[in-house]
Amino acid sequence: DTGVSQDPRHKITKRGQNVTFRCDPISEHNRLYWYRQTLGQGPEFLTYFQNEAQLEKSRLLSDRFSAERPKGSFSTLEIQRTEQGDSAMYLCASSPPPGQGFNEQYFGPGTRLTVT
Amino acid sequence: GNSVTQMEGPVTLSEEAFLTINCTYTATGYPSLFWYVQYPGEGLQLLLKATKADDKGSNKGFEATYRKETTSFHLEKGSVQVSDSAVYFCAVKAAGNKLTFGGGTRVLVKP
Repeated sequence: DTGVSQDPRHKITKRGQNVTFRCDPISEHNRLYWYRQTLGQGPEFLTYFQNEAQLEKSRLLSDRFSAERPKGSFSTLEIQRTEQGDSAMYLCASSPPPGQGFNEQYFGPGTRLTVT
Repeated sequence: GNSVTQMEGPVTLSEEAFLTINCTYTATGYPSLFWYVQYPGEGLQLLLKATKADDKGSNKGFEATYRKETTSFHLEKGSVQVSDSAVYFCAVKAAGNKLTFGGGTRVLVKP
């Protein structure tokens, strides 16, 4: 069990550019979550997948944000036309299917995005 | 929607002191409650959890009791160590699968 991994760990981009982050969940975890954490705040929910289906999206996820999980394994989060307000830590978490342990979420190390 | 309020930090303590971090929540139904910890330079780690009223979660000397009547889940440790310096987050999971977090409390333990 290698844990949840995220790539890249850090990303610096200029305003207006597009960025894409990747998350690899713990194997056998069919649920995957994205959260955003700004400095000094707690994480805020963005979106949730069960297998390849995106089942819930937060109001925080504007039209510039899109998330996919095409084969029910890894997931990508893309931000188009980045703005300075997008600067944050983007966290990915995964949890096992119901019946396989408690439905607790395991977090990755995060991708820190800085928009200049 | 769900919400979590936790005491603001930073909380500065001496080693072996008693630590309490207050957490209250609002949620519908029968939520599960969690404390996560974020050590410097590391990701969020689950510290402890409780899934129903009066449950006590415990781990690494930390404890928290699910109090439905006061909608609280206060975190306590009887004797903190320097290695407990971190940011602590209280979280609630009600209907659905998303976690709702508090703003975090930074704890600094001095030798």
